[in-house]
Amino acid sequence: AQSVTQLDSHVSVSEGTPVLLRCNYSSSYSPSLFWYVQHPNKGLQLLLKYTSAATLVKGINGFEAEFKKSETSFHLTKPSAHMSDAAEYFCVVSASNTGKLIFGQGTTLQVKP
Amino acid sequence: NAGVTQTPKFRVLKTGQSMTLLCAQDMNHEYMYWYRQDPGMGLRLIHYSVGEGTTAKGEVPDGYNVSRLKKQNFLLGLESAAPSQTSVYFCASSYAPDPGTGNSPLHFGNGTRLTVT
Repeated sequence: AQSVTQLDSHVSVSEGTPVLLRCNYSSSYSPSLFWYVQHPNKGLQLLLKYTSAATLVKGINGFEAEFKKSETSFHLTKPSAHMSDAAEYFCVVSASNTGKLIFGQGTTLQVKP
Repeated sequence: NAGVTQTPKFRVLKTGQSMTLLCAQDMNHEYMYWYRQDPGMGLRLIHYSVGEGTTAKGEVPDGYNVSRLKKQNFLLGLESAAPSQTSVYFCASSYAPDPGTGNSPLHFGNGTRLTVT
């Protein structure tokens, strides 16, 4: 079975400082991994996807994530936070190409001026 | 390009009433999903469909039914609403998984906020 754990329910950073949102996964198969962002009262938007082609994945808006199989982690980072990055972020795992995705509980990112 | 459209955006029901949520996508996606989002619980899969005429149960299917009569539409029904079904419901769609690159990203609608009193 597969599962995903987002280690922080809430992260607060100052504008211009780095962002780190942590995600650990569990999967019996080679997983597909995603990060999604949700702004208030909106649907979810894809930030990036791990496809096994490269362990460091670059996404939109300057975000990137590194797949570490030995640590079963897929942490999301950004060098410099912007006020518009304030949102909820979801780490998502799937396995065995079933089409069924499992969502983490979400991490709320607050960006302070 | 409309993407994924959910109807209605808001709804208030009394316990025991029924309703249908409509999801439409114009991207010719094979797969469609219904999720519910509750505080602190992420998104949980209710039902999904891997093609026209097919449906399957997700994590939390009880109290819901679905139909996929046309490829572009995926309906979610509540036969007898309960307060526990108060939630935000999201529809999503995607291409079928690719053997080389795995699961395709989901495209989400903007959600339906349902309150059951």
